[in-house]
Amino acid sequence: QVQLVQSGAEVKKPGASVKVSCKASGGPFRSGAINWVRQAPGQGLEWLGVIIPLIGTPNYAPKFQGRLTIIADESTSAAYMELTSLRSEDTAIYYCARSLLTGGAGLGYWGQGSLVTVSS
Amino acid sequence: AIQLTQSPSSLSASVGDRVTITCRAGQVLSSALAWYQQKPGKPPQLLIYDASTLNSGVPSRFSGSGSGTEFTLTISRLQPEDFATYYCQQFNSYPLTFGGGTLVEIK
Repeated sequence: QVQLVQSGAEVKKPGASVKVSCKASGGPFRSGAINWVRQAPGQGLEWLGVIIPLIGTPNYAPKFQGRLTIIADESTSAAYMELTSLRSEDTAIYYCARSLLTGGAGLGYWGQGSLVTVSS
Repeated sequence: AIQLTQSPSSLSASVGDRVTITCRAGQVLSSALAWYQQKPGKPPQLLIYDASTLNSGVPSRFSGSGSGTEFTLTISRLQPEDFATYYCQQFNSYPLTFGGGTLVEIK
């Protein structure tokens, strides 16, 4: 069974950067698409970007281009999301989520979420 | 980006009711759509993928249908544990996008 374990909560000041990790186990790491999704307090889900380790090149939502970096480390089966120039609106729970092992349009496995709070 | 519009944004229903949630896309998606259930304080859980395929372990009272630009999630007989927020997500093209969500509350 695929499991995704994320790093812990972070508190950052406006203008700072945050890096969240997502360690995968229980499935092939290289071929899965690792997506990053966030949810602001009381709000809906927002897709940030994706990386397929086998391909290596990430794809970002236009809103986050220039501020977001997603990488995958095959040696540790971990993915990372770094968001820079943080502002209060970036306060949210950040989730990593993996595509289904069998393929198909859906994110079948989710991390527990990492709360990022941006506050002065 | 492909916009997804869910309706209704919220609904009140009773245990045993049949519930239908609609997701309309701004352009044709073929069958590249998923549905999720989210409960407070938890990550979303995949219910339906490829528009109509039930994910492993999901009760058969959940079903998905539709193609093109209109999709539906149906809960045939609402159970107490089904009170939650439901989201659709399209996989037709990047950037992937989510619908705004539908809160299903107890009547």
